[in-house]
Amino acid sequence: AQRVTQPEKLLSVFKGAPVELKCNYSYSGSPELFWYVQYSRQRLQLLLRHISRESIKGFTADLNKGETSFHLKKPFAQEEDSAMYYCALPSGGYNKLIFGAGTRLAVHP
Amino acid sequence: DAGVTQSPTHLIKTRGQHVTLRCSPISGHKSVSWYQQVLGQGPQFIFQYYEKEERGRGNFPDRFSARQFPNYSSELNVNALLLGDSALYLCASSQGADTQYFGPGTRLTVL
Repeated sequence: AQRVTQPEKLLSVFKGAPVELKCNYSYSGSPELFWYVQYSRQRLQLLLRHISRESIKGFTADLNKGETSFHLKKPFAQEEDSAMYYCALPSGGYNKLIFGAGTRLAVHP
Repeated sequence: DAGVTQSPTHLIKTRGQHVTLRCSPISGHKSVSWYQQVLGQGPQFIFQYYEKEERGRGNFPDRFSARQFPNYSSELNVNALLLGDSALYLCASSQGADTQYFGPGTRLTVL
């Protein structure tokens, strides 16, 4: 069965520290994966997708098929990065996403 | 464009009642998807509609139904509400098989 696992409910770091939000997936075939972010009192929005290989707001994510992972990384966390982060996997189309449970990132001054 | 809009913002119902949630997609978007987000969990896919036809259904009981109108807006209906239906219901729209844009959600509380 297709599944997305985010093992950490909360990740707490200090400003300037490196950040790694973990995402593991279960999928047969070549997956495309997404990271969505939800800032306080805002709607869920796309942060990045692996196929575009972009760096958004300093975040990057690399698909590791051997480890079935798509971890989100940023070398130097900022306070404005504090938010809920969700990893997602399309299931039969981009409009049908399987989401992980999410990780709350808290960046302290 | 205001983005995806949903109404109402909040809703309180009692067990056994039914509820209708509404979604207006971004102008030009023909696909609408519905998700349920229970507190502490990620969104869970319920339905997808494209050009007024159901294109996908998640693992939800038949009490859940939806439809899409000619103007591409959509309704999600839930009958015989249970306490466990309390959640944030999200609507997302896209032009096709592309990035989904989410609405602010409707918070449903079932007492």
